[in-house]
Amino acid sequence: RKEVEQDPGPFNVPEGATVAFNCTYSNSASQSFFWYRQDCRKEPKLLMSVYSSGNEDGRFTAQLNRASQYISLLIRDSKLSDSATYLCVVTPTGGGNKLTFGTGTQLKVEL
Amino acid sequence: ETGVTQTPRHLVMGMTNKKSLKCEQHLGHNAMYWYKQSAKKPLELMFVYSLEERVENNSVPSRFSPECPNSSHLFLHLHTLQPEDSALYLCASSQAGDRAYNEQFFGPGTRLTVL
Repeated sequence: RKEVEQDPGPFNVPEGATVAFNCTYSNSASQSFFWYRQDCRKEPKLLMSVYSSGNEDGRFTAQLNRASQYISLLIRDSKLSDSATYLCVVTPTGGGNKLTFGTGTQLKVEL
Repeated sequence: ETGVTQTPRHLVMGMTNKKSLKCEQHLGHNAMYWYKQSAKKPLELMFVYSLEERVENNSVPSRFSPECPNSSHLFLHLHTLQPEDSALYLCASSQAGDRAYNEQFFGPGTRLTVL
């Protein structure tokens, strides 16, 4: 089983749609969770951290379910500029700076 | 220059060549990383340097040799590579400290092709 698993997509959605991505992780002792965004031919950039209580940043909502070992990202009112690959990232027990990445989910927002 | 820079941006080399990738961070961070990103595979952590000491080496073949002369610079020396080593090589930096996690900032990467 992969350490971090994501549906690669692509998810093709019209502008204004709501889209959700899920991610599962295998290590129940994982400590921290994040979503990174990677535009085509660019480097990954941190989108948001994911907390057990859930957190929201504008049109983006992230949630963590430790019991089921999955993380979700919800994007409301999709914009063309949201088109990118969204990478699910976890850190192991003890945290630190060792990141484990999923393969990413590709989102294409269309007119 | 700001952020994390990498040179060259593109590199084509033969299997017998020796080349080096360079990374420089202008963020005052004390930890630097090399990642490999291959098509349809997740980013793979290769090496971690914290306070200029190598603290992580993820079973990377010896044909990849990192060097961290100071906290701002990181090199990846390449020799006798294989075609399967063709990938995007990303450098990142962060401020390692007491927090469970500190955001990593990535450079634009070097697209490497091994012929």
